[in-house]
Amino acid sequence: GAVVSQHPSWVICKSGTSVKIECRSLDFQATTMFWYRQFPKQSLMLMATSNEGSKATYEQGVEKDKFLINHASLTLSTLTVTSAHPEDSSFYICSAGTSGTTYEQYFGPGTRLTVT
Amino acid sequence: GQNIDQPTEMTATEGAIVQINCTYQTSGFNGLFWYQQHAGEAPTFLSYNVLDGLEEKGRFSSFLSRSKGYSYLLLKELQMKDSASYLCAVPNQAGTALIFGKGTTLSVSS
Repeated sequence: GAVVSQHPSWVICKSGTSVKIECRSLDFQATTMFWYRQFPKQSLMLMATSNEGSKATYEQGVEKDKFLINHASLTLSTLTVTSAHPEDSSFYICSAGTSGTTYEQYFGPGTRLTVT
Repeated sequence: GQNIDQPTEMTATEGAIVQINCTYQTSGFNGLFWYQQHAGEAPTFLSYNVLDGLEEKGRFSSFLSRSKGYSYLLLKELQMKDSASYLCAVPNQAGTALIFGKGTTLSVSS
């Protein structure tokens, strides 16, 4: 149980375009979803936390107008990278939790974004 | 704020034992997590310690000392597949998300 999927697993896009990444909890209802970004040989950096039906809470330094997060249902959250630039190329990982705390958090397989 | 420190890299041979250390400074304490991450993959949960002492789970054990702000992950009978990055993480102040350390890359050789 507690499976989280992400789609796509990898994507290449041109500079200036937008990319949407989906995160789904397959066998449980996720009240909270987290979005992380990981650059090569770096650790996971939390970008934002989203609760179903409410606006996402962004970490300091993360542009909310550039990284649009929608958590419309208890099983789906989306991250849209708008007007992507090469420096946005990274590994994006979502995780889902069943409560408002971190104590149960299940990670998706990640999405590799390359902006050319 | 939360701050986590781990060694960047470690090497070991198959069959050996390795200890990966993690020191942390937090505002409040709500437990400490260890995750394993293979290259290009998402992290997988290894352990969660909230009380002092050693917790053993098969070949992997995790230790916590809250008074020292210190934890370690102990890997026994190392196998090649244990080559991965090991991430130490603590909840943020609000307890709503995880703050990860930079990870320790372990290379196991034959």
